[in-house]
Amino acid sequence: LAKTTQPISMDSYEGQEVNITCSHNNIATNDYITWYQQFPSQGPRFIIQGYKTKVTNEVASLFIPADRKSSTLSLPRVSLSDTAVYYCLVALLRAGNNRKLIWGLGTSLAVNP
Amino acid sequence: DAGVIQSPRHEVTEMGQEVTLRCKPISGHDYLFWYRQTMMRGLELLIYFNNNVPIDDSGMPEDRFSAKMPNASFSTLKIQPSEPRDSAVYFCASSLGRVGEQYFGPGTRLTVT
Repeated sequence: LAKTTQPISMDSYEGQEVNITCSHNNIATNDYITWYQQFPSQGPRFIIQGYKTKVTNEVASLFIPADRKSSTLSLPRVSLSDTAVYYCLVALLRAGNNRKLIWGLGTSLAVNP
Repeated sequence: DAGVIQSPRHEVTEMGQEVTLRCKPISGHDYLFWYRQTMMRGLELLIYFNNNVPIDDSGMPEDRFSAKMPNASFSTLKIQPSEPRDSAVYFCASSLGRVGEQYFGPGTRLTVT
């Protein structure tokens, strides 16, 4: 059964690039990875999603190597407001075209001045 | 759009009482998810629906929990009887077309004394 593993916490400083890696063994070609951000007292918020290689949007990049055993969320030039918990989510394709959702336990990112 | 709407926002009840949490997904979304979040257990997927049909309820903790989606614009999560260990923040989320990009509601903070 697939599972996801993320670091519990990370520290960074304003202006730095932050890379958070999620390990997810046993995922197939049609399984995709999504990352979420959560601030205290709020629900998680979608950041980025992808199947393979690299995806970039206005806030982050997602790197997925060829072996698909991990994915890396990259936050360029973080600010204090990026202090939050970041979750990876793997959506596994199952019978009947349904998906099994596997959430990571979250990485608490602290951005320091 | 108003986003995902959850009610009540806070609920305090005594052990043994029935609790009903309500969710209105974003109009037009065909997926609806119920989550529970605690410090100890993190974010847990309880159940999700596609077109009002339950797809995966493997996260529902026990028979005391039940979820229904009578139509595309309304869902309930019921706990009967409630126990102190059910105290948590319960989130509802919805998505369109695929399970990855979910939009979360503000959550219901449940306290069972």
